[in-house]
Amino acid sequence: DVKVTQSSRYLVKRTGEKVFLECVQDMDHENMFWYRQDPGLGLRLIYFSYDVKMKEKGDIPEGYSVSREKKERFSLILESASTNQTSMYLCASSLSGGTGANVLTFGAGSRLTVL
Amino acid sequence: AQRVTQPEKLLSVFKGAPVELKCNYSYSGSPELFWYVQYSRQRLQLLLRHISRESIKGFTADLNKGETSFHLKKPFAQEEDSAMYYCAPFRDNYGQNFVFGPGTRLSVLP
Repeated sequence: DVKVTQSSRYLVKRTGEKVFLECVQDMDHENMFWYRQDPGLGLRLIYFSYDVKMKEKGDIPEGYSVSREKKERFSLILESASTNQTSMYLCASSLSGGTGANVLTFGAGSRLTVL
Repeated sequence: AQRVTQPEKLLSVFKGAPVELKCNYSYSGSPELFWYVQYSRQRLQLLLRHISRESIKGFTADLNKGETSFHLKKPFAQEEDSAMYYCAPFRDNYGQNFVFGPGTRLSVLP
């Protein structure tokens, strides 16, 4: 079965801490995404990667960075966590071409609380 | 800037009633159109894709290019349809265009 795995389901961090959220997919997908999901705001794209070491900013990249050193792994980094980054973070992946292009497969989510 | 709107944050219907979840998008061209669904305590998942022209779980979605709308419909709602629904018109294969609407929570009452 197709899988996107987010390593941490729940995290609690303090303001100012560095936070790493890891995402791994086993489908050989070219594209990977990080979204945050907030009630009333839906999903907002933070960053997108279309290839190893390649990244593009989404709608809300401020306060975040990403790393994609291997095709299957896409990490989201909060350099200095703040309380307004308390949210559910969703990782997704997709093919870049063919009939499966643009169909996103999502992970289970990582709920981050920043105190 | 592109915008995707889903005017209802919450939609409540009784079991067996028809349901329509609205989606409007503001950009021109021919986006590829999707609806995603998230059931309670489950992952966000694809519900249907316009180009497939399928009916999934009794849902269909009608594209109206003139109104730039892609409304999701089901003639007879079931309690198990209660979930969060997101419209996703993807314009091109570029990250900044993988934008979702704000979502509509559908509650089907017994």
